[in-house]
Amino acid sequence: DVKVTQSSRYLVKRTGEKVFLECVQDMDHENMFWYRQDPGLGLRLIYFSYDVKMKEKGDIPEGYSVSREKKERFSLILESASTNQTSMYLCASSSLQGKGGYEQYFGPGTRLTVT
Amino acid sequence: KNEVEQSPQNLTAQEGEFITINCSYSVGISALHWLQQHPGGGIVSLFMLSSGKKKHGRLIATINIQEKHSSLHITASHPRDSAVYICAVSYYNTDKLIFGTGTRLQVFP
Repeated sequence: DVKVTQSSRYLVKRTGEKVFLECVQDMDHENMFWYRQDPGLGLRLIYFSYDVKMKEKGDIPEGYSVSREKKERFSLILESASTNQTSMYLCASSSLQGKGGYEQYFGPGTRLTVT
Repeated sequence: KNEVEQSPQNLTAQEGEFITINCSYSVGISALHWLQQHPGGGIVSLFMLSSGKKKHGRLIATINIQEKHSSLHITASHPRDSAVYICAVSYYNTDKLIFGTGTRLQVFP
């Protein structure tokens, strides 16, 4: 079974703090994704990585950065957390579409509250 | 306008009812995905289809490529089916998914 794990289920941080969200997958997937999920807006892509050290901005990258130093790990960084970044953050991974698999496997999510 | 539209946004049903959730999209796709998210839980993939129909237990997914429309059916619904159901599409030139905003289903005993 594919497993995608996220470092925390719940996180509370103060405005201005630097926040790290970690995601690890164990299926040797090339692609990894970070989304945020807000009521009424659905899942929105923050950043996407298709290989180690490679990244691509998604729909809402402002205020976020990412790091992918190893294939299995994809980190989302909030440089200076703000209250409008309070949300559910979901990580996902998938094989390359060219390998016949573009089904995404999701982690359990991290509910981040910024006060 | 979202590229992927789902209806209804919210749905309540009595246990045993037949349920249909609809999804429409605006341009050609390589595949359509149905996902399920339980309250407080992660998201799991139910189906990935590019044509025709797929069935898994009480769940059936259909797609009409010409009409750019898909439906997810649940037969003999049960309270444990209560969840948010999300439609997403993938395109040929990218590994990214485009998501609908989800349908919240509540099934009462």
